[in-house]
Amino acid sequence: NAGVMQNPRHLVRRRGQEARLRCSPVKGHSHVYWYRQLPEEGLKFMVYLQKENIIDESGMPKERFSAEFPKEGPSILRIQQVVRGDSAAYFCASSPRQGESETQYFGPGTRLLVL
Amino acid sequence: GQNIDQPTEMTATEGAIVQINCTYQTSGFNGLFWYQQHAGEAPTFLSYNVLDGLEEKGRFSSFLSRSKGYSYLLLKELQMKDSASYLCAVSRGDSNYQLIWGAGTKLIIKP
Repeated sequence: NAGVMQNPRHLVRRRGQEARLRCSPVKGHSHVYWYRQLPEEGLKFMVYLQKENIIDESGMPKERFSAEFPKEGPSILRIQQVVRGDSAAYFCASSPRQGESETQYFGPGTRLLVL
Repeated sequence: GQNIDQPTEMTATEGAIVQINCTYQTSGFNGLFWYQQHAGEAPTFLSYNVLDGLEEKGRFSSFLSRSKGYSYLLLKELQMKDSASYLCAVSRGDSNYQLIWGAGTKLIIKP
């Protein structure tokens, strides 16, 4: 009965490199959300996806960031040409349905450090 | 704007009771979540309040006053394992999946 899985748990990149973060939702969950958490700050919504569709990416920077949730396989958050300010914890969450009271199940996060 | 305030850090003694407050000012309100997050781990769901009043769930209770824009999480019979950050998040009416998150309250339990 696996929960949300994210990998890698820790990722170190140099400025200008690409970072790929993976998220496998709870089995049967078709709604995926990505959040960013800076030290001492709250979670910030980035993007909401369903299978093969981006529903809302209003919280994601317009440049360098992209996300996908293919029909098969995990959801991917991709950050191109990383900068030091991208260093943060990136959490993925999933839910079986979408609704204001729907509990989101969180993964353990990927901690990205940009040198 | 959207604003959620929680104390940054609190300290309490094992076996005691602690109340963690959360005040919010948001455009739209459906309900308020509390999550627990241990260091380096995922946030885990504790409670969701929609109506005014107190909801009790074992050692943890959560209270909501919609008119005051105020909630608290009450933890009783504190255990060392309760040392964690407690996150308050508001679900809004106009965007029912975009939660607005507080920065979290780091709770330190001392023996």
